Amino acid sequence: GENVEQHPSTLSVQEGDSAVIKCTYSDSASNYFPWYKQELGKGPQLIIDIRSNVGEKKDQRIAVTLNKTAKHFSLHITETQPEDSAVYFCAAGPGGGSYIPTFGRGTSLIVHP
Amino acid sequence: VTQNPRYLITVTGKKLTVTCSQNMNHEYMSWYRQDPGLGLRLIYFSYDVKMKEKGDIPEGYSVSREKKERFSLILESASTNQTSMYLCASSLIDLTYEQYFGPGTRLTVT
Repeated sequence: GENVEQHPSTLSVQEGDSAVIKCTYSDSASNYFPWYKQELGKGPQLIIDIRSNVGEKKDQRIAVTLNKTAKHFSLHITETQPEDSAVYFCAAGPGGGSYIPTFGRGTSLIVHP
Repeated sequence: VTQNPRYLITVTGKKLTVTCSQNMNHEYMSWYRQDPGLGLRLIYFSYDVKMKEKGDIPEGYSVSREKKERFSLILESASTNQTSMYLCASSLIDLTYEQYFGPGTRLTVT
């Protein structure tokens, strides 16, 4: 099955800095890569996703890049703000109706004011 | 997506049910388990009331999709290693589209 490694497990930055979280996956058939943000006491919420037919996707301060050859994808957050503090999860898996996402172990992002 | 109850304390061997409801007319609903340092692991997912499929860790769990809006997780005989946070999610088409998660149910088995 799919195996997803996520690094780092904890990331501490100053407000205004950039943050990068990286995930690697093992199954070359994987073609859907979502990123979820989980705030304290809440369920995860999708913040951005990418499919294998594109290499990069941006949404305001958030971007995701995908390197299918190397089997890794990354979340980039620019101009971090204290409200970006949360746990972030990546996921990967092959597409189709029987898609079962495999999640990374999560990264706790702390943005210091 | 709502979950009931939000907190549950029980003893080993008891049967319990956690219920998830959604009002977005989503076809797919899923149950995940979340443990510190392990991320989210899929237990079961369901398409409408017709189909349910095992995820990565179905052992010790069963599910029931009573109607399109409601998906229940059942522990027939709770064990201490099932102490965890349980998250329900729904998605419009399949799991390759955005999943909307509930707030979670914290289960403690003593």
